[in-house]
Amino acid sequence: DAMVIQNPRYQVTQFGKPVTLSCSQTLNHNVMYWYQQKSSQAPKLLFHYYDKDFNNEADTPDNFQSRRPNTSFCFLDIRSPGLGDAAMYLCATSRDLGQNEQFFGPGTRLTVL
Amino acid sequence: GENVEQHPSTLSVQEGDSAVIKCTYSDSASNYFPWYKQELGKRPQLIIDIRSNVGEKKDQRIAVTLNKTAKHFSLHITETQPEDSAVYFCAASIGSGYALNFGKGTSLLVTP
Repeated sequence: DAMVIQNPRYQVTQFGKPVTLSCSQTLNHNVMYWYQQKSSQAPKLLFHYYDKDFNNEADTPDNFQSRRPNTSFCFLDIRSPGLGDAAMYLCATSRDLGQNEQFFGPGTRLTVL
Repeated sequence: GENVEQHPSTLSVQEGDSAVIKCTYSDSASNYFPWYKQELGKRPQLIIDIRSNVGEKKDQRIAVTLNKTAKHFSLHITETQPEDSAVYFCAASIGSGYALNFGKGTSLLVTP
């Protein structure tokens, strides 16, 4: 009964080679988030969608893009991964606006060679 | 974004003792403060949250206190058990919105 699913769980890419991470949810939540979590650090919000409205954090590099083609799916595109982009990428959802619990996926661990 | 400071970064207690983790925030407009537990290799999961109109909230062995004037909030775990061992993250809403700023986490180890 997985609620927030991320694929793949582990992704290896080469320096500069575009990569796409996938997130899907069965909760029918309106809000979807992408976080970057490096080793021993806090999850850092990259951007989020409220329905189709995209909200980018001010310090998110232009190298990171996102798409949400429908309620259930959200993608993180890294156009030209650098060594510094190696991290765990967490997708999360929340029901709506307002302070609601965020449900996290298991994450995708990205390695950049 | 605004900062959330979390202390300590590591905490080791004996089974049955209490554990306290403290966080401070800088955004005076923050009004939602959740705590997440992340076990090794697993996803963060919400364990308790508190809103700014409440000073304290308790759920069995877990309690959270909030001091809005001082801009700090704390997680209290009583009668700790080895299965409480994990990384705990505090977070504060960005303003009154729904996005969150996380603290850097506290690695809690409960030894039998």
